[in-house]
Amino acid sequence: DTGVSQDPRHKITKRGQNVTFRCDPISEHNRLYWYRQTLGQGPEFLTYFQNEAQLEKSRLLSDRFSAERPKGSFSTLEIQRTEQGDSAMYLCASSRGLAGGPSDTQYFGPGTRLTVL
Amino acid sequence: GNSVTQMEGPVTLSEEAFLTINCTYTATGYPSLFWYVQYPGEGLQLLLKATKADDKGSNKGFEATYRKETTSFHLEKGSVQVSDSAVYFCALSEYSGGYQKVTFGTGTKLQVIP
Repeated sequence: DTGVSQDPRHKITKRGQNVTFRCDPISEHNRLYWYRQTLGQGPEFLTYFQNEAQLEKSRLLSDRFSAERPKGSFSTLEIQRTEQGDSAMYLCASSRGLAGGPSDTQYFGPGTRLTVL
Repeated sequence: GNSVTQMEGPVTLSEEAFLTINCTYTATGYPSLFWYVQYPGEGLQLLLKATKADDKGSNKGFEATYRKETTSFHLEKGSVQVSDSAVYFCALSEYSGGYQKVTFGTGTKLQVIP
C-alpha cells in the first residue's frame, strides 16, 4: 500500500476565499471519508463516499462545503467563502469496505492544515 | 448517541515506565474498538483494534482488551520509549445507516522523557 495522500499539506487563506483540498486514497479502497480535527480534539466525521456516490453528510458540513469523488478514485473537498471558524486539520481516510462492517480499518492521510486569516 | 471518554492529558512518564491510558465508551450496539496514534504534524495511524468482547489487540508492545462488562478499552504498555511520545485516540466503530461510523475520543497526549 502506498498510503493515503493529501494535498496541500498546509493552506493559508484570507477570509472569504475559496479553497480546495485533494485526497488520493489507497488504490483498492472503495470507501472514502473526510474528517475535521480542531486543536485538542479528535476527528469529527464530515462525509462518506462509497465509490463515486456520496452516501452520508454530517450536519457539520454546511452549504459552503462540497465534496466530490468523480471517478471513485481521488476526492476533493471545497470550502467556499471561508470563515475563521473553518481553520482546522482536514483529514481523509479510506477503507477496503469489508463485509465485517464496523471492524473495517480506516487508513488516514497526513491531513491538510487550513488557516483562515 | 455513541461517545468515547479518555483520560485527560498530558501524561508525562520517564522512559521504561508503565503506561495506562484509560478509555471508556457508550454505544447503542456492539461496536469495534480502536486505538490510533498521531505523531506531531501527521495523520492518525492505527495502533491496534478489537472486534468483540474479551479480544485483546496488540501491536508494538501496546495492548488493550475489549471489556464489555465495564465498557472499557484501556491502553497499556509495559515499558515506554521516548519515541512513543504522541497523541493517542481511542475510537469506536459501528455500522449505522449503511456506513462505518467512527466516534473518536478527544485524545491523550503522552510525553516520555529520557
